[in-house]
Amino acid sequence: DAKTTQPPSMDCAEGRAANLPCNHSTISGNEYVYWYRQIHSQGPQYIIHGLKNNETNEMASLIITEDRKSSTLILPHATLRDTAVYYCIVRTRSGYALNFGKGTSLLVTP
Amino acid sequence: GAVVSQHPSRVICKSGTSVKIECRSLDFQATTMFWYRQFPKKSLMLMATSNEGSKATYEQGVEKDKFLINHASLTLSTLTVTSAHPEDSSFYICSASTGEYDYGYTFGSGTRLTVV
Repeated sequence: DAKTTQPPSMDCAEGRAANLPCNHSTISGNEYVYWYRQIHSQGPQYIIHGLKNNETNEMASLIITEDRKSSTLILPHATLRDTAVYYCIVRTRSGYALNFGKGTSLLVTP
Repeated sequence: GAVVSQHPSRVICKSGTSVKIECRSLDFQATTMFWYRQFPKKSLMLMATSNEGSKATYEQGVEKDKFLINHASLTLSTLTVTSAHPEDSSFYICSASTGEYDYGYTFGSGTRLTVV
């Protein structure tokens, strides 16, 4: 699976949009981009995934660049409960275990 | 959605004893389950992959005789930490696959193991 690079930490004001970038320049054509988050002392939670088109669900939006070498997870209206470590993972659809990098620690402030 | 239940959430045990952690898929059949370990301020590290009815596959550096994994049914996998030592203290997390990769994997809430 392709390797990803994320900033170690980010801050965001409550109510504002949180934009979390991820670089995956070695992604191959059959690899998907997945986003998970882990709130302190809990198991990871699935957020969203995509292949090449932008995706949106009730939690977030995923914007994937046309060359697919990077993506951005957008939390449109961040709340304090969105404070967590966010992991960007690239894997094939039929791949096995998720390999977690270091992720981005997002702090949402009042 | 798919739910994975993990028990216990916290456990304290004495050095030299064994501890069993259970991971159950509540509303789906999990053909494959994964066990992770996470040390403070670190990312999740995959320990092993278990498939129902077969032996688990362990990652390099993980002692299979120390971390016993049993996946006897499509809804239950267990991790037993045998002869636990303080260095085994960690956050253990299980994950289950429905086989529907479009939705990724579902994770348990984790087990905080403290060996004293």
